[in-house]
Amino acid sequence: GESVGLHLPTLSVQEGDNSIINCAYSNSASDYFIWYKQESGKGPQFIIDIRSNMDKRQGQRVTVLLNKTVKHLSLQIAATQPGDSAVYFCAAADTGRRALTFGSGTRLQVQP
Amino acid sequence: DGGITQSPKYLFRKEGQNVTLSCEQNLNHDAMYWYRQDPGQGLRLIYYSQIVNDFQKGDIAEGYSVSREKKESFPLTVTSAQKNPTAFYLCASSIPSGVSDYGYTFGSGTRLTVV
Repeated sequence: GESVGLHLPTLSVQEGDNSIINCAYSNSASDYFIWYKQESGKGPQFIIDIRSNMDKRQGQRVTVLLNKTVKHLSLQIAATQPGDSAVYFCAAADTGRRALTFGSGTRLQVQP
Repeated sequence: DGGITQSPKYLFRKEGQNVTLSCEQNLNHDAMYWYRQDPGQGLRLIYYSQIVNDFQKGDIAEGYSVSREKKESFPLTVTSAQKNPTAFYLCASSIPSGVSDYGYTFGSGTRLTVV
């Protein structure tokens, strides 16, 4: 089955710096990946997604990079703001099971 | 506004009791999901349903049951067979086809505590 993991449980950055959150997945059949942001006591919110036929996708202040060779994806947040403080999850899906498998999350702490 | 609503926000259960968590969506989504979240862990899939009157077990279905009698509703029952039910439960829905096949809309969660 799929397992999705994150390299660091907590990431602390200074306001204005760029943040990079990493994620590894195990199932080479995974073809769709999503990053979610979760604030305390709330449900996760969609940030950005990417399909396996892409290497990079950009949104507003966020970029997702996908390296299928090493089964790794990352979320880059430019000019990190205090409002970016939250837990970030990556999730992966494969064509066989139409449900997402989530990683354990990275807590991003933005220092003023 | 369209959205997905979970109720109650907080729920307390006594040992040996069954409890049912509500999840309702008015997004006209076909697929619905239940996840469990424990502190310091990711979301683990309990059950999911791609269509009315059909559902599949996820990774941790033991001790849980669901029904999908209406497109809008996907209630989760935590039975007494679930030995460690204290957790944060998240319901989600999605359109199972299209560009964002698996992009979920999440509810705000129900925090269940066994007392």
